[in-house]
Amino acid sequence: DTEVTQTPKHLVMGMTNKKSLKCEQHMGHRAMYWYKQKAKKPPELMFVYSYEKLSINESVPSRFSPECPNSSLLNLHLHALQPEDSALYLCASSQATSGAYNEQFFGPGTRLTVL
Amino acid sequence: KNQVEQSPQSLIILEGKNCTLQCNYTVSPFSNLRWYKQDTGRGPVSLTIMTFSENTKSNGRYTATLDADTKQSSLHITASQLSDSASYICVVSEDYNFNKFYFGSGTKLNVKP
Repeated sequence: DTEVTQTPKHLVMGMTNKKSLKCEQHMGHRAMYWYKQKAKKPPELMFVYSYEKLSINESVPSRFSPECPNSSLLNLHLHALQPEDSALYLCASSQATSGAYNEQFFGPGTRLTVL
Repeated sequence: KNQVEQSPQSLIILEGKNCTLQCNYTVSPFSNLRWYKQDTGRGPVSLTIMTFSENTKSNGRYTATLDADTKQSSLHITASQLSDSASYICVVSEDYNFNKFYFGSGTKLNVKP
């Protein structure tokens, strides 16, 4: 199984709402990533988890709160977002060791619209 | 500074024609290079992955080449189809750091009938 799943596919929320994005993989990967992607731009790294511990936070505003409850799941909790946070949010996973064939597998993304 | 640059930014071709996309990188130490296809509003899907010792790899109508000496890669699409319309992203990973992935800005390909 080389699939990364993400739910929901689409999310519309107001600026005062609290919502969560979910990501799941069953490839035994111990590194998981959140990316934000605006239209016509490459994905921008937000967070990296390694062995369920946050290892990289790319200076993301605190209105985004990641969580890794176990080795297969990754959540992104959203609160008090701004309209400019509207984007495609991608989850990815990879091995947590460097290697010639280490690569990321991406989920289909969640299209987030903040009103 | 580790960077990945892709060209052209966008490309329009007629169905059935071939095309070649370019990727130049400065990432060091180099681990591998991947080409992804990304449909609008969807997650990237891996097409090929190449290591230092591989200089060509095919996946159906997609053929990637790698010249590790000049730090250049290309993705050649043969007999294009309408479904090839997408963005193609080159990603280079850094050796010794499993979570260091450098993304190019992508080439937007539009295949017209």
